Order: sequence, then structure tokens, then C-alpha cells
Amino acid sequence: DSGVTQTPKHLITATGQRVTLRCSPRSGDLSVYWYQQSLDQGLQFLIQYYNGEERAKGNILERFSAQQFPDLHSELNLSSLELGDSALYFCASSVERTGTDTQYFGPGTRLTVL
Amino acid sequence: GDSVTQMEGPVTLSEEAFLTINCTYTATGYPSLFWYVQYPGEGLQLLLKATKADDKGSNKGFEATYRKETTSFHLEKGSVQVSDSAVYFCALRGYTGNQFYFGTGTSLTVIP
Repeated sequence: DSGVTQTPKHLITATGQRVTLRCSPRSGDLSVYWYQQSLDQGLQFLIQYYNGEERAKGNILERFSAQQFPDLHSELNLSSLELGDSALYFCASSVERTGTDTQYFGPGTRLTVL
Repeated sequence: GDSVTQMEGPVTLSEEAFLTINCTYTATGYPSLFWYVQYPGEGLQLLLKATKADDKGSNKGFEATYRKETTSFHLEKGSVQVSDSAVYFCALRGYTGNQFYFGTGTSLTVIP
């Protein structure tokens, strides 16, 4: 158990819908990272937040947005969902903002878009 | 742009065999390099890392050396166990920012 929790574990929805994925980092970790893992694209970095502020942005679509709240939990919002958004979404957390320290991954949320 | 190229799998080895999984990278400046492992049904776990040239990362019998001259970070283990069966990802953190790039993953199966 990494100490990072993600909810829900599974999510099934329809095209065009909007969903919110939630992540609670390990106690004491200030950085939260979001990743998408799909069969065709592999594992892709989406975005990083550090202590409530956006720190780095990767291949995140404009239809996706994220935020980190004062209690340090983070949410990833996916809107206007398409079939291709079906994937495993991982959240990770770490202590520092640099990205070179150890990231601890949550178990993931499996999103299925029908 | 920055990228990571990882050896294609799947790889099947007998227990106690020697393991090498190749990883090469393209990056500007001095990236940090990582190996992650993903066991079935779980999230990724950091296996080892190296943050500068000639650094050797090691953990649980696995090793990888950051070779700037060959832009490589190959993962090795002298004697694999059945419990090492997992998917292994090579990853890079870009020097100019917190961008992370992952290889496609190499599935390893170790048979008794």
C-alpha cells in the first residue's frame, strides 16, 4: 500500500459526459501528479500540482482539467468524454516539487467510456 | 523533444537467469532517469533512479547506470526470481521542467 488513495476504482460512463477522479496524496506529500495509461498511448504524464499550484503540464487535453485543494487532495476533471479517453488514470504523490524524489502511485481509476 | 525508447517485450526467462532490459533516451541537458515496476493490478512503484551521469541506481538486486555517452539506462539483474514477473518502465524527467516521459513498458515473466 503506497498510501495514495484514488476514488472511484472503476467508472463507466457514456460519450459526451463529464467525470471527476479524486486523489488523496500520502500524508506530508505536497506534490500530486496525474498520469493516463492506455493500450495505444502507453503511460503519459498529464499534470503536476505542488501545494495547490500547477507546477508542470504534460500531454493534457483541453477537455481535461485538474486542481489541488488546500487539504492537498486533487481532482482530475474529464469532460466531453470520447471513446479514446478510456484508460487507467493514476495519481502519484511526492514530497518535493522538483520531480526527482520518489513518486508514490495510487492503485488507479479505470475509466470506461461507452 | 525528450523521449524514452525501451526494449520491446514480452521477455520470458527461467528462474536465476540474467536479465537485461534496454533503455535509451533522447533529451536536452541533464535529465533524471528512473525505472518503475508495475505488478499485476497495481500502480507503479519506483525501482531505482539516477539523477546524474555515471550514477548507478540499485534496489532489490536490480541495477542501472546512467550513461551519458551512450544515452542509456539499461536495467540488469543477475538472477531473476518468479516474484520479479511484472512490467518494467523506463522513465525520464526532463531537465528543463517537470516533464515526465515513459517508455512503452517491458513485460517480464519468470518461469520456475
